[in-house]
Amino acid sequence: AQSVSQHNHHVILSEAASLELGCNYSYGGTVNLFWYVQYPGQHLQLLLKYFSGDPLVKGIKGFEAEFIKSKFSFNLRKPSVQWSDTAEYFCAVRSSASKIIFGSGTRLSIRP
Amino acid sequence: SQTIHQWPATLVQPVGSPLSLECTVEGTSNPNLYWYRQAAGRGLQLLFYSVGIGQISSEVPQNLSASRPQDRQFILSSKKLLLSDSGFYLCAWGTSNRNNEQFFGPGTRLTVL
Repeated sequence: AQSVSQHNHHVILSEAASLELGCNYSYGGTVNLFWYVQYPGQHLQLLLKYFSGDPLVKGIKGFEAEFIKSKFSFNLRKPSVQWSDTAEYFCAVRSSASKIIFGSGTRLSIRP
Repeated sequence: SQTIHQWPATLVQPVGSPLSLECTVEGTSNPNLYWYRQAAGRGLQLLFYSVGIGQISSEVPQNLSASRPQDRQFILSSKKLLLSDSGFYLCAWGTSNRNNEQFFGPGTRLTVL
């Protein structure tokens, strides 16, 4: 069965620090990969997605993620975080036309 | 543009009572529809998905059921709620295009007492 692992449950950083959130998936076929973000009190929204081509994907708000097929990973990065990046981040994988499977989420807290 | 609605926004129900949560989508036709439960530290658990009217796939055996009586309506139900059914329930829609993401509703906070 497909699964997504996010090993960092809670990350605490100071403003301007660099961020990397880990995401690993288990599926041997063609995948589409996503990062979603949920700001406090808001809907889940898409941060970025990978479906083909350049494995380095740029998203909104300065986020990027790199698809490394050999490592089954899709880590999220941002060179300098802001207080407004405080949110919960979810990695997800689409292995079929119908289903997207989500990871357990990483809560990011930014100290001002 | 497409919008997705869920109601109620919050719900407090006693153990053993029935449940009906509704989700509707506007601005698209024949969407794939999904019910997720979000629990702290456990992420989003896919409960049910539907690729068409009357077509329901269940991902986890549990006390809940889903129905899709109309193209853009998705209902989550229970005959008798358990304490463990408490949580945040999210509805989402998407297409069968692999490159497209899912779009989420505002969610329903269910507390079973």
